[in-house]
Amino acid sequence: NAGVMQNPRHLVRRRGQEARLRCSPMKGHSHVYWYRQLPEEGLKFMVYLQKENIIDESGMPKERFSAEFPKEGPSILRIQQVVRGDSAAYFCASALGTTGNTIYFGEGSWLTVV
Amino acid sequence: AQSVAQPEDQVNVAEGNPLTVKCTYSVSGNPYLFWYVQYPNRGLQFLLKYITGDNLVKGSYGFEAEFNKSQTSFHLKKPSALVSDSALYFCAVRAKGIDDKIIFGKGTRLHILP
Repeated sequence: NAGVMQNPRHLVRRRGQEARLRCSPMKGHSHVYWYRQLPEEGLKFMVYLQKENIIDESGMPKERFSAEFPKEGPSILRIQQVVRGDSAAYFCASALGTTGNTIYFGEGSWLTVV
Repeated sequence: AQSVAQPEDQVNVAEGNPLTVKCTYSVSGNPYLFWYVQYPNRGLQFLLKYITGDNLVKGSYGFEAEFNKSQTSFHLKKPSALVSDSALYFCAVRAKGIDDKIIFGKGTRLHILP
Protein backbone atom coordinates (compact mmCIF):
# COMPACT_ATOMS: atom_id res chain seq x y z
CA ASN A 1 0.00 0.00 0.00
CA ALA A 2 1.69 3.13 -1.20
CA GLY A 3 1.94 5.99 1.20
CA VAL A 4 0.93 9.58 0.63
CA MET A 5 2.52 10.71 -2.62
CA GLN A 6 3.47 14.31 -3.19
CA ASN A 7 4.90 15.86 -6.31
CA PRO A 8 6.95 17.61 -7.24
CA ARG A 9 9.41 17.09 -4.40
CA HIS A 10 11.23 20.27 -5.32
CA LEU A 11 9.87 23.22 -7.26
CA VAL A 12 11.56 26.48 -8.18
CA ARG A 13 9.43 29.40 -9.30
CA ARG A 14 10.17 32.99 -10.13
CA ARG A 15 8.25 35.70 -8.35
CA GLY A 16 4.84 36.15 -9.95
CA GLN A 17 4.57 32.61 -11.35
CA GLU A 18 2.13 29.97 -10.22
CA ALA A 19 2.97 26.90 -8.16
CA ARG A 20 0.87 23.73 -8.19
CA LEU A 21 1.52 21.05 -5.63
CA ARG A 22 -0.11 17.66 -5.92
CA CYS A 23 -1.01 15.11 -3.30
CA SER A 24 -2.34 11.61 -3.77
CA PRO A 25 -3.63 10.26 -0.46
CA MET A 26 -3.15 6.74 0.76
CA LYS A 27 -5.51 4.24 -0.82
CA GLY A 28 -8.94 4.47 0.72
CA HIS A 29 -8.28 7.77 2.48
CA SER A 30 -10.82 10.48 1.80
CA HIS A 31 -9.49 13.14 4.20
CA VAL A 32 -6.61 15.36 3.13
CA TYR A 33 -4.73 18.03 5.05
CA TRP A 34 -2.17 20.56 3.91
CA TYR A 35 0.45 22.03 6.22
CA ARG A 36 3.26 24.52 5.65
CA GLN A 37 6.62 24.40 7.37
CA LEU A 38 9.02 27.30 7.27
CA PRO A 39 12.72 26.72 8.02
CA GLU A 40 13.30 26.03 11.70
CA GLU A 41 9.60 26.43 12.43
CA GLY A 42 6.75 24.10 13.22
CA LEU A 43 3.88 22.95 11.10
CA LYS A 44 1.15 25.42 10.31
CA PHE A 45 -2.25 24.06 9.37
CA MET A 46 -3.53 25.40 6.07
CA VAL A 47 -6.58 23.49 4.89
CA TYR A 48 -8.58 20.33 5.49
CA LEU A 49 -10.52 18.76 2.65
CA GLN A 50 -12.71 15.79 2.00
CA LYS A 51 -13.63 14.63 -1.45
CA GLU A 52 -15.04 17.65 -3.34
CA ASN A 53 -15.43 19.66 -0.12
CA ILE A 54 -13.34 22.14 1.80
CA ILE A 55 -14.01 21.45 5.47
CA ASP A 56 -11.70 23.98 7.11
CA GLU A 57 -9.55 26.55 5.35
CA SER A 58 -8.90 28.73 8.37
CA GLY A 59 -5.13 28.47 7.87
CA MET A 60 -5.08 29.49 4.25
CA PRO A 61 -3.99 33.01 3.31
CA LYS A 62 -6.99 34.88 1.96
CA GLU A 63 -5.35 35.71 -1.32
CA ARG A 64 -3.38 33.74 -3.90
CA PHE A 65 -3.82 30.36 -2.20
CA SER A 66 -6.44 27.77 -3.09
CA ALA A 67 -6.93 24.05 -2.62
CA GLU A 68 -9.13 21.38 -4.09
CA PHE A 69 -9.70 17.67 -3.75
CA PRO A 70 -11.78 16.54 -6.71
CA LYS A 71 -13.82 13.38 -6.92
CA GLU A 72 -11.17 11.89 -9.16
CA GLY A 73 -7.48 12.65 -9.01
CA PRO A 74 -5.11 14.16 -6.50
CA SER A 75 -5.57 17.08 -4.18
CA ILE A 76 -4.03 20.28 -5.51
CA LEU A 77 -2.61 23.21 -3.56
CA ARG A 78 -2.30 26.18 -5.86
CA ILE A 79 -0.32 29.32 -5.14
CA GLN A 80 -0.75 32.14 -7.60
CA GLN A 81 1.72 34.99 -8.11
CA VAL A 82 4.26 33.51 -5.74
CA VAL A 83 6.41 35.74 -3.57
CA ARG A 84 9.66 34.97 -1.76
CA GLY A 85 7.78 34.52 1.50
CA ASP A 86 5.99 31.52 0.01
CA SER A 87 9.25 29.57 0.01
CA ALA A 88 8.64 26.68 2.38
CA ALA A 89 8.02 22.97 2.64
CA TYR A 90 4.42 22.03 2.00
CA PHE A 91 3.24 18.77 3.49
CA CYS A 92 0.17 16.83 2.63
CA ALA A 93 -1.35 14.27 4.97
CA SER A 94 -4.27 11.91 4.64
CA ALA A 95 -6.52 9.96 6.96
CA LEU A 96 -9.12 7.26 6.69
CA GLY A 97 -11.60 9.20 8.79
CA THR A 98 -11.84 11.70 11.58
CA THR A 99 -11.03 12.05 15.23
CA GLY A 100 -8.96 9.10 16.35
CA ASN A 101 -7.65 8.12 12.98
CA THR A 102 -3.97 8.63 12.40
CA ILE A 103 -2.97 11.04 9.67
CA TYR A 104 -0.07 9.99 7.48
CA PHE A 105 2.27 12.43 5.84
CA GLY A 106 3.86 12.61 2.45
CA GLU A 107 7.53 13.49 1.99
CA GLY A 108 6.72 17.10 1.24
CA SER A 109 7.11 19.54 -1.63
CA TRP A 110 9.87 22.12 -1.22
CA LEU A 111 8.99 25.37 -2.95
CA THR A 112 11.72 27.91 -3.62
CA VAL A 113 10.78 31.28 -5.02
CA VAL A 114 13.62 33.17 -6.68
CA ALA B 1 -9.67 26.46 20.63
CA GLN B 2 -7.31 23.52 20.84
CA SER B 3 -3.58 24.06 21.27
CA VAL B 4 -0.39 22.19 21.94
CA ALA B 5 2.69 23.40 23.78
CA GLN B 6 6.16 21.91 23.56
CA PRO B 7 8.05 24.00 26.11
CA GLU B 8 11.55 22.96 25.05
CA ASP B 9 13.03 23.99 21.71
CA GLN B 10 15.88 21.52 22.18
CA VAL B 11 16.69 18.59 24.44
CA ASN B 12 20.17 17.13 24.79
CA VAL B 13 20.62 13.62 26.16
CA ALA B 14 23.65 11.35 26.39
CA GLU B 15 23.42 8.09 24.50
CA GLY B 16 22.10 5.33 26.71
CA ASN B 17 20.32 7.70 29.09
CA PRO B 18 16.54 7.96 29.35
CA LEU B 19 14.92 10.76 27.41
CA THR B 20 11.74 12.80 27.85
CA VAL B 21 10.22 15.26 25.41
CA LYS B 22 7.46 17.30 26.97
CA CYS B 23 4.04 18.14 25.60
CA THR B 24 0.99 19.78 27.13
CA TYR B 25 -2.32 20.37 25.44
CA SER B 26 -5.57 22.27 25.66
CA VAL B 27 -8.72 20.94 24.04
CA SER B 28 -12.44 20.87 24.65
CA GLY B 29 -13.73 17.39 25.24
CA ASN B 30 -11.72 14.22 24.83
CA PRO B 31 -8.22 14.67 23.43
CA TYR B 32 -6.70 12.49 20.80
CA LEU B 33 -2.94 12.87 21.06
CA PHE B 34 -0.16 12.00 18.66
CA TRP B 35 3.62 12.05 18.40
CA TYR B 36 5.50 12.33 15.13
CA VAL B 37 9.19 12.41 14.28
CA GLN B 38 10.81 14.29 11.40
CA TYR B 39 14.27 13.65 10.01
CA PRO B 40 16.01 16.30 7.87
CA ASN B 41 14.30 16.98 4.55
CA ARG B 42 11.70 14.29 5.17
CA GLY B 43 8.03 14.12 6.00
CA LEU B 44 6.66 13.39 9.45
CA GLN B 45 6.58 9.79 10.58
CA PHE B 46 3.92 8.59 12.99
CA LEU B 47 5.27 7.27 16.31
CA LEU B 48 2.27 6.66 18.54
CA LYS B 49 -1.13 7.93 19.59
CA TYR B 50 -3.49 8.01 22.54
CA ILE B 51 -7.18 7.58 21.85
CA THR B 52 -8.58 5.94 24.96
CA GLY B 53 -7.76 3.23 27.45
CA ASP B 54 -4.35 2.63 29.03
CA ASN B 55 -2.59 5.88 29.83
CA LEU B 56 0.79 4.44 28.79
CA VAL B 57 1.03 4.10 25.05
CA LYS B 58 3.82 2.21 23.32
CA GLY B 59 4.93 3.08 19.84
CA SER B 60 7.60 2.67 17.22
CA TYR B 61 11.38 2.49 17.82
CA GLY B 62 10.99 1.85 21.56
CA PHE B 63 9.20 5.11 22.29
CA GLU B 64 6.30 5.43 24.68
CA ALA B 65 4.15 8.26 25.98
CA GLU B 66 2.08 8.74 29.08
CA PHE B 67 -1.26 10.49 28.99
CA ASN B 68 -1.93 12.48 32.15
CA LYS B 69 -5.40 13.98 32.15
CA SER B 70 -5.02 16.01 35.33
CA GLN B 71 -1.85 17.66 34.08
CA THR B 72 -3.05 17.77 30.46
CA SER B 73 0.26 16.30 29.38
CA PHE B 74 1.44 13.67 26.94
CA HIS B 75 5.21 13.41 27.38
CA LEU B 76 7.25 11.24 25.04
CA LYS B 77 9.77 8.91 26.66
CA LYS B 78 12.38 6.31 25.86
CA PRO B 79 14.34 4.31 28.45
CA SER B 80 17.66 4.36 26.58
CA ALA B 81 18.44 6.91 23.89
CA LEU B 82 20.24 6.13 20.64
CA VAL B 83 22.21 8.56 18.50
CA SER B 84 19.81 7.72 15.67
CA ASP B 85 16.95 9.15 17.74
CA SER B 86 18.30 12.63 17.01
CA ALA B 87 15.52 14.38 15.10
CA LEU B 88 12.67 16.87 15.37
CA TYR B 89 9.69 15.65 17.39
CA PHE B 90 6.16 16.98 17.12
CA CYS B 91 3.26 16.53 19.49
CA ALA B 92 -0.24 16.94 18.05
CA VAL B 93 -3.81 17.06 19.33
CA ARG B 94 -7.13 16.49 17.70
CA ALA B 95 -10.63 16.91 19.09
CA LYS B 96 -13.94 15.93 17.65
CA GLY B 97 -15.70 18.96 16.34
CA ILE B 98 -16.72 20.84 13.30
CA ASP B 99 -13.15 21.90 12.62
CA ASP B 100 -11.64 18.48 12.93
CA LYS B 101 -8.05 19.37 12.16
CA ILE B 102 -4.91 18.23 13.94
CA ILE B 103 -2.92 20.95 15.62
CA PHE B 104 0.82 20.52 16.01
CA GLY B 105 3.23 21.89 18.55
CA LYS B 106 6.20 23.87 17.33
CA GLY B 107 8.49 20.87 17.68
CA THR B 108 11.39 19.88 19.92
CA ARG B 109 14.79 19.11 18.50
CA LEU B 110 16.32 16.11 20.22
CA HIS B 111 20.11 15.75 20.23
CA ILE B 112 21.54 12.47 21.42
CA LEU B 113 25.20 12.88 22.32
CA PRO B 114 27.50 9.93 21.68
